[in-house]
Amino acid sequence: GAVVSQHPSRVICKSGTSVKIECRSLDFQATTMFWYRQFPKQSLMLMATSNEGSKATYEQGVEKDKFLINHASLTLSTLTVTSAHPEDSSFYICSAPTVQGAWGYTFGSGTRLTVV
Amino acid sequence: GQQLNQSPQSMFIQEGEDVSMNCTSSSIFNTWLWYKQDPGEGPVLLIALYKAGELTSNGRLTAQFGITRKDSFLNISASIPSDVGIYFCAGGPYNQGGKLIFGQGTELSVKP
Repeated sequence: GAVVSQHPSRVICKSGTSVKIECRSLDFQATTMFWYRQFPKQSLMLMATSNEGSKATYEQGVEKDKFLINHASLTLSTLTVTSAHPEDSSFYICSAPTVQGAWGYTFGSGTRLTVV
Repeated sequence: GQQLNQSPQSMFIQEGEDVSMNCTSSSIFNTWLWYKQDPGEGPVLLIALYKAGELTSNGRLTAQFGITRKDSFLNISASIPSDVGIYFCAGGPYNQGGKLIFGQGTELSVKP
């Protein structure tokens, strides 16, 4: 079946540094990628939607200069957390629709970011 | 903004028991999805519902899309230890470009 490969699975970085998270669609083309953030014991909250070849759309309250999203190709979308702070520590998950126009989204395995 | 209320927040049951959880929305959705998430992993789709009133099964799991389009339930029959995890409902609002809104999750614990 369709797989979204997300890397890294875990990352620990120092406060003030930047971290890049990659999501690749395997065996299918992802024209759209959704990026979620999940704090411990909480639900998934949509941060932004990336579309191949165009600017990402950010949800209200999400700083686009802090969370840089690039969707450079039909199989790769990246999220860069810039100047990370401890409050950015969270579980970040990407998701892509595996069939255009349908609701069979496939999720990546998530990235646990810890900022120290 | 749109919200989903998922209940219960947690359940502690004995192996073999049936489980029921549900989600309600303040607004209409055009699809309902149920996911299971294991610790440290991304959600995995269990059941997708596309029509009001639709009742769909996937093995021991059964889910329904409420007639009002504002609610959905998930039942698990004859629970087993590997059913442990967090279950999320997710709704797809109309005209929102494919976005999903997630419920708060139901944490299921199964005692052998």
